[in-house]
Amino acid sequence: EAQVTQNPRYLITVTGKKLTVTCSQNMNHEYMSWYRQDPGLGLRQIYYSMNVEVTDKGDVPEGYKVSRKEKRNFPLILESPSPNQTSLYFCASSLLGGLRSPLHFGNGTRLTVT
Amino acid sequence: AQSVAQPEDQVNVAEGNPLTVKCTYSVSGNPYLFWYVQYPNRGLQFLLKYITGDNLVKGSYGFEAEFNKSQTSFHLKKPSALVSDSALYFCAVKTYLVFGKGTRLSVIA
Repeated sequence: EAQVTQNPRYLITVTGKKLTVTCSQNMNHEYMSWYRQDPGLGLRQIYYSMNVEVTDKGDVPEGYKVSRKEKRNFPLILESPSPNQTSLYFCASSLLGGLRSPLHFGNGTRLTVT
Repeated sequence: AQSVAQPEDQVNVAEGNPLTVKCTYSVSGNPYLFWYVQYPNRGLQFLLKYITGDNLVKGSYGFEAEFNKSQTSFHLKKPSALVSDSALYFCAVKTYLVFGKGTRLSVIA
């Protein structure tokens, strides 16, 4: 089954403790992206990647890192999480990263930073 | 700058009635437009897109959207709403670039 898989689904952590949210897709998509969803703000892009070893900042990249060493994986790294990073996070991918291609989303990771 | 606006945070409609969820956009170049739906505890799912051609686009679950260039709008419609259509709907321009803030649709039985 074609899908985008995020782990974990739920994560509670404390300020400053490094964490990684994994994202994997099995559709051979070139493009991958991370979003955060907050009430009243909709979806905001954190980082995106047009292909392996190519990453770029989205609208809200501060406090996050990403890497794209393999085509299928695009982990999101919070080196020193803070409470304002409490949010619902989504990974997404699409074919060729083209403006015409729909995004396929994972089921989300709800992160709470205390 | 590119942007998309969903002027209604919430839309309520009775089951069986037609529904409309509004979206307006501002974009330079070709307005590739998308609608996504989000059910509780799930990621967004693609509903339909407008790239070029016919202004009326048909998508999944009986939804359709009408592209109106003069009004820069791309409203989502369905002739007869179902309770199962209750969800959060997002309009997006140029796929990954800009999303609207979402409109919560509630269909009342």
